[in-house]
Amino acid sequence: AQSVAQPEDQVNVAEGNPLTVKCTYSVSGNPYLFWYVQYPNRGLQFLLKYITGDNLVKGSYGFEAEFNKSQTSFHLKKPSALVSDSALYFCAVRAFKAAGNKLTFGGGTRVLVKP
Amino acid sequence: NAGVTQTPKFRVLKTGQSMTLLCAQDMNHEYMYWYRQDPGMGLRLIHYSVGEGTTAKGEVPDGYNVSRLKKQNFLLGLESAAPSQTSVYFCASSYLGGNGYTFGSGTRLTVV
Repeated sequence: AQSVAQPEDQVNVAEGNPLTVKCTYSVSGNPYLFWYVQYPNRGLQFLLKYITGDNLVKGSYGFEAEFNKSQTSFHLKKPSALVSDSALYFCAVRAFKAAGNKLTFGGGTRVLVKP
Repeated sequence: NAGVTQTPKFRVLKTGQSMTLLCAQDMNHEYMYWYRQDPGMGLRLIHYSVGEGTTAKGEVPDGYNVSRLKKQNFLLGLESAAPSQTSVYFCASSYLGGNGYTFGSGTRLTVV
């Protein structure tokens, strides 16, 4: 079985400050890890993914994430948050050989960036 | 370049009514999925399909049926709607060997 935990329901940060959204996962074998963002009344948009290789992954809109195998974590980061980053963020995982490429999502973390 | 299109976008049903949600993708993706999104619970997989004519159960399949008669379409049916099925439903697709999904914009369903 595969699972994802996002321990924070909401993260508040001032504009210009660093933003971190936490994610830990459980999966058999090598993980494929993803971050998606959801703006109000919209579908999920892909931000970045880790498949293999460099543990630091860079994605869209200045976001990056660090894969840490020993801590089974894949935290999302942005050095300087913008008000427009306010949204709902989802971490997702699937096993390398997951049937049907099925993704398991975390519960989501709402990010609020204050001016 | 439409990607994944869901219809309808909003619907209100009375308990016991039936309806079908349509998902259409124009990317020639093999795999398609139906998820429901509920506050604090993230997205949970209802059913999925790995190709035309095939379907499989996900995490929360009870009360739903699906069909994939054409590769580009994936239908989600509610035979007898219940208030517990009030949710936002998302369709997604991916290609064989793909590493992520393309999502539709969602259908907000309220069952009263």
